[in-house]
Amino acid sequence: QSALTQPDSVSGSPGQSVTISCTATTSDVGTYKSVSWYQQHPGKAPKLVIYEGSRRPSGVSGRFFGSKSGYTASLTISELQADDEAVYFCYSNAGRNTYVFGTGTKVTVL
Amino acid sequence: QLQLQESGPGLARPSETLSLTCSVSGDSISSNYFWGWIRQPPGKGLEWIGNIHYSGSSYYSPSLKSRVTLSVDTSKNQFSLTLSSVTAADTAVYYCAATYCNAGYCFPPEYWGQGTLVTVSS
Repeated sequence: QSALTQPDSVSGSPGQSVTISCTATTSDVGTYKSVSWYQQHPGKAPKLVIYEGSRRPSGVSGRFFGSKSGYTASLTISELQADDEAVYFCYSNAGRNTYVFGTGTKVTVL
Repeated sequence: QLQLQESGPGLARPSETLSLTCSVSGDSISSNYFWGWIRQPPGKGLEWIGNIHYSGSSYYSPSLKSRVTLSVDTSKNQFSLTLSSVTAADTAVYYCAATYCNAGYCFPPEYWGQGTLVTVSS
């Protein structure tokens, strides 16, 4: 099964923007709609923040923005806030009705 | 609002079978969802285990397929996971989740249970 590789960590100061990448080893993220992003605070279940590449579920801040270029999807968090400190995972269809998560990225707010 | 709650033993013995149940409230399990399981070893990332529809259609992670079985009990509005021949590597928080599907397209799971820790140890 393919893997989705993310950087281990990114950091930024309050008010700044950070971008997390998610790179596929195959064409899993080739279909734009298929990439989603989750935010996970310690001890909590993951929360969906982006789906179909760039769409936000109801209630998710407009500071979260999803995009894609080639085999790499990205999540940008603008105007960084303390509560954005969490681990973020990308998620994609891996073919044959199976799914795969990215390796996860710890976002630290300095 | 759909709500999910995992239940089951918090300890499993090596080589034995792990069994968990997810209770669904707020909607019928016989609706447009695939019901799934995801796990997370302590301090590590998320791993998709598999999905099942109330009709019986099911899909499994290739790496776990030989040991995993999912089932649905429509009378109890529950679905279950069994994982056989467990080892310490199966120690993880196990989440149940709901994936809404419509017209052949499935959205990512938006509804999750709170998760339950299962430790594999003798």
